[in-house]
Amino acid sequence: ETGVTQTPRHLVMGMTNKKSLKCEQHLGHNAMYWYKQSAKKPLELMFVYNFKEQTENNSVPSRFSPECPNSSHLFLHLHTLQPEDSALYLCASSQGWAGTGTDTQYFGPGTRLTVL
Amino acid sequence: AQKVTQAQTEISVVEKEDVTLDCVYETRDTTYYLFWYKQPPSGELVFLIRRNSFDEQNEISGRYSWNFQKSTSSFNFTITASQVVDSAVYFCALSAGANSKLTFGKGITLSVRP
Repeated sequence: ETGVTQTPRHLVMGMTNKKSLKCEQHLGHNAMYWYKQSAKKPLELMFVYNFKEQTENNSVPSRFSPECPNSSHLFLHLHTLQPEDSALYLCASSQGWAGTGTDTQYFGPGTRLTVL
Repeated sequence: AQKVTQAQTEISVVEKEDVTLDCVYETRDTTYYLFWYKQPPSGELVFLIRRNSFDEQNEISGRYSWNFQKSTSSFNFTITASQVVDSAVYFCALSAGANSKLTFGKGITLSVRP
């Protein structure tokens, strides 16, 4: 595997379900990100992790719970979601300390989530 | 605050035409970085280019070229001799200042017809 991978690619869940999204980067990077992309809206940054520590939570509802066990893996745990949470969830990684502007973010293919 | 404006929302061209995607940015920082990403129907954002604010040289990569003009705060992207595979959503993004996030434009949907 190369680059940034995400699983599953598609997910349909009910509002009472609990599911998790997984992201793995094979680039040796130290920063990882979760973004939400809804139809007709700009990409929204959700969370940032640097060296496994969360450095940014962009006022994301608690029904989204991130986890970063190491610099290569990032999870997004989902529970009691709402239909408006349906979107494409993108993971990205970059080389060093996130947000310096010197690092290019590389994105995974995304998980398309539908909440019924 | 940073802002990226992609005024064009959808562009449709016939194959082999040249097309320019516009990007205008706003920032008060003197040090900043500009990016272009391509998002094909598969969903992945593919990195195309990064430019820092101190390098105003235009760049050419195959059929792709970028025109960075600080005087007009623009970073436009031109595809020469477009192909059907160029059909995608193209995002311009800005990162400015220390510990700043990427600010994305709303994207331009490019359709290239055979």
